[in-house]
This record gives sequence, C-alpha cells and structure tokens, in this order.
Amino acid sequence: AQSVSQHNHHVILSEAASLELGCNYSYGGTVNLFWYVQYPGQHLQLLLKYFSGDPLVKGIKGFEAEFIKSKFSFNLRKPSVQWSDTAEYFCAVTLFGNEKLTFGTGTRLTIIP
Amino acid sequence: NAGVTQTPKFQVLKTGQSMTLQCAQDMNHNSMYWYRQDPGMGLRLIYYSASEGTTDKGEVPNGYNVSRLNKREFSLRLESAAPSQTSVYFCASSGRTVNNSPLHFGNGTRLTVT
Repeated sequence: AQSVSQHNHHVILSEAASLELGCNYSYGGTVNLFWYVQYPGQHLQLLLKYFSGDPLVKGIKGFEAEFIKSKFSFNLRKPSVQWSDTAEYFCAVTLFGNEKLTFGTGTRLTIIP
Repeated sequence: NAGVTQTPKFQVLKTGQSMTLQCAQDMNHNSMYWYRQDPGMGLRLIYYSASEGTTDKGEVPNGYNVSRLNKREFSLRLESAAPSQTSVYFCASSGRTVNNSPLHFGNGTRLTVT
C-alpha cells in the first residue's frame, strides 16, 4: 500500500529563516504529489502539486517543492518564512489515474516573530 | 459560492448511538471523499466516491458506511458509534479527478463519542 512519511512533526523557526519540510513516499508506480496547508481554524487548501515535467514546482505564497524520484522525496521549501506561514503542512500522494489520495501525518510549523 | 457544506459542525454521541454526517457540494464535482483527522495521524481516508453511484473503501472504513445519494451529496453514517471514532471529519470534493483538480474541503464536523 502506498504511504507517505513526514518525519518532522513540529518545526519552529524565526521569521526570515529558510524552511525545508521533508516528505517521502513509498510507491513504485507513477505518482502525483501534493502539498496541502491548513491554517489555524481553517480547512486544508492546496499549496502546490507535481504531475510530470520540471521536478521543481512552484506554488502559492512563495513555496516550492522538488521531486527527486531516486529518493522518493518531495520536500517543501521556502527561502524566507513569515509569521503568517504558521500552519500545518501535509504532503499527499496518489497513484497516477487513481482517486485515492493518501496524506502524510503532517508537520506543524510555528514561526516566531 | 458555498463550495462544500458539511452538517453538523459539532456532535456529541454516546457509545452505541448512530448518526449520519451530511455533505453537499455545489461545484458539479464528480469525486467526493470522507476523511478523518486525528492528532499525530494526519488525514486518513475513510471512503471515497469517484462518481455518482460508486463508492470505495479508503484506509479506515471499518465502522462507517457511505451513500452517494446523487452527484451533489455524499453522506457518512456511523451505525454504532465508538469512542475511537472521536475525531474531526472532513468531506472533500474534486472536479474530474483528484489528480487534475485540487480537493475542496468542507469546514469539518467535530465528533465526540463518550
């Protein structure tokens, strides 16, 4: 069964620090990869997605993620975080053509002003 | 633009009671999903429906049933609630497929089973 691992459970950073959140998946087929974000008190919304092509994808609010197929990874990055980035971040994966979206356990990001 | 509407927002049940969580979307989406969100476990898929008239099990279907009543509505039923089902439940929908259109989530139902 496909699975998604997010090893960072809680990350605390100061404003302007650089961010990298890890995401690894275990699946041998062609995958589609997503990052979703959940701001406090809100529901999840899509941050960015990778289907094919350029492995470096850019999303909203200055976030980007790089798909490294050999490492089964899809890490989320942002060069300079802001207090408003405080949220929970979820990596997710589907098998190409499959409707079953599997989420990781999430990483809580706290930005200190 | 209502999007995905879930009812109720909060519910407290006693062990053994039954209830149905309602979900409706007004975006003409084909696919609909039920997830539960628990601390430290992220979101886990309970059931999904890729199109009207079809439903499939997700990761944690035990203790739940679903009905895709029509294209708009996808309900989740707990026949005999257990404390382990205390969670926040999210309904979501996506356009053609989850792979080419993002999930749109409802605001969630916070369920407590005592």
